[in-house]
Amino acid sequence: AQSVTQPDIHITVSEGASLELRCNYSYGATPYLFWYVQSPGQGLQLLLKYFSGDTLVQGIKGFEAEFKRSQSSFNLRKPSVHWSDAAEYFCAVGVGYDKVIFGPGTSLSVIP
Amino acid sequence: GAGVSQSPRYKVAKRGQDVALRCDPISGHVSLFWYQQALGQGPEFLTYFQNEAQLDKSGLPSDRFFAERPEGSVSTLKIQRTQQEDSAVYLCASSLDGFAGDIYFGPGTRLTVT
Repeated sequence: AQSVTQPDIHITVSEGASLELRCNYSYGATPYLFWYVQSPGQGLQLLLKYFSGDTLVQGIKGFEAEFKRSQSSFNLRKPSVHWSDAAEYFCAVGVGYDKVIFGPGTSLSVIP
Repeated sequence: GAGVSQSPRYKVAKRGQDVALRCDPISGHVSLFWYQQALGQGPEFLTYFQNEAQLDKSGLPSDRFFAERPEGSVSTLKIQRTQQEDSAVYLCASSLDGFAGDIYFGPGTRLTVT
């Protein structure tokens, strides 16, 4: 069965520090992969997506993610975190054309 | 409109009441999705429309949940005889052509069943 795991429920980093959020997926075919961010009271916003090609994907707000097929991973990174990055982050995998399966999310706190 | 809108943003219902949640997708978007997000969890797929046709309703948790999109635009998610476990944020999303990888989410409706 298709699934997405995010091993870290909650992460705290200092402002200006680097960030890596982990994501692992289980899917038989070549996956479509996504990272979304959700701020309190807001809807989900797409940060970046991977369909094919270059395994290092650039997104909005200075985020990037790397697809590693051998590890079934799609980790999200940012070199320097800003206080406004505090939010919930969701990794997701596209299953077929019309369905996306989300992971449980990682909550990010940023210390000023 | 500029984005996906949902109403009401907050709904409190007593157990056993029926509720109706509305979604206005982005104008011109063919496809519409409903997701349920329980507290502390990721969104879970409920159902999917292409125009007025409901192509996938495999995620609806019970026959108390019903969704419609009669004119291929606005959609309503109806929950009959609400239960406490129905408490969640209900997210609507739309896409231009049905591809789930290119969807835009609304702000959600937070349903609390007391």
